[in-house]
Amino acid sequence: AQSVTQLGSHVSVSEGALVLLRCNYSSSVPPYLFWYVQYPNQGLQLLLKYTSAATLVKGINGFEAEFKKSETSFHLTKPSAHMSDAAEYFCAVSESGGYQKVTFGIGTKLQVIP
Amino acid sequence: KAGVTQTPRYLIKTRGQQVTLSCSPISGHRSVSWYQQTPGQGLQFLFEYFSETQRNKGNFPGRFSGRQFSNSRSEMNVSTLELGDSALYLCASSLAGGREDTQYFGPGTRLTVL
Repeated sequence: AQSVTQLGSHVSVSEGALVLLRCNYSSSVPPYLFWYVQYPNQGLQLLLKYTSAATLVKGINGFEAEFKKSETSFHLTKPSAHMSDAAEYFCAVSESGGYQKVTFGIGTKLQVIP
Repeated sequence: KAGVTQTPRYLIKTRGQQVTLSCSPISGHRSVSWYQQTPGQGLQFLFEYFSETQRNKGNFPGRFSGRQFSNSRSEMNVSTLELGDSALYLCASSLAGGREDTQYFGPGTRLTVL
């Protein structure tokens, strides 16, 4: 069975500071991993996805994530936070690699302090 | 190209009623997935349809059902509504639900059950 744990339901960073959102996964097969962002009253938008091609995945809006098999982690980072990054972020896993059955984490709300 | 559209955006129902939500995927997309989002449970997978067939189903009671039409539009139905069914229902589409695809989300339908 696949599952995702996001550590920290709320994270606050200062504008310009490093953003680090943590995600650990559990999967019985090599996983496919995703990060999504959700702005208030909107649907989810894909930031990036890991499909085993490269362990460091670059996404949109300056975000990237590194797949670490030994730590079963897929943490999301951004070197410098911008006010527009304030949103809720979801880590997700799919054992099939596709979207036929995706399991999401509980989400992390990112607050950016000016 | 138009995005994923969901109608209605907001809905208020009373316990015991039934409701039907509609999702129009991006043109050319044949895979449609439905998710329920609540503050307590987060995002949970409901079901996924491809070419009018349900390929996967999440752990929801039989009161939750769906279907997909030949034009890939999808509907989900919830019968005998309960207070706990109050949630944001998100629809997402992709070309075929495969690992090389990207899944796009609609803005959601917010259902309130009184």
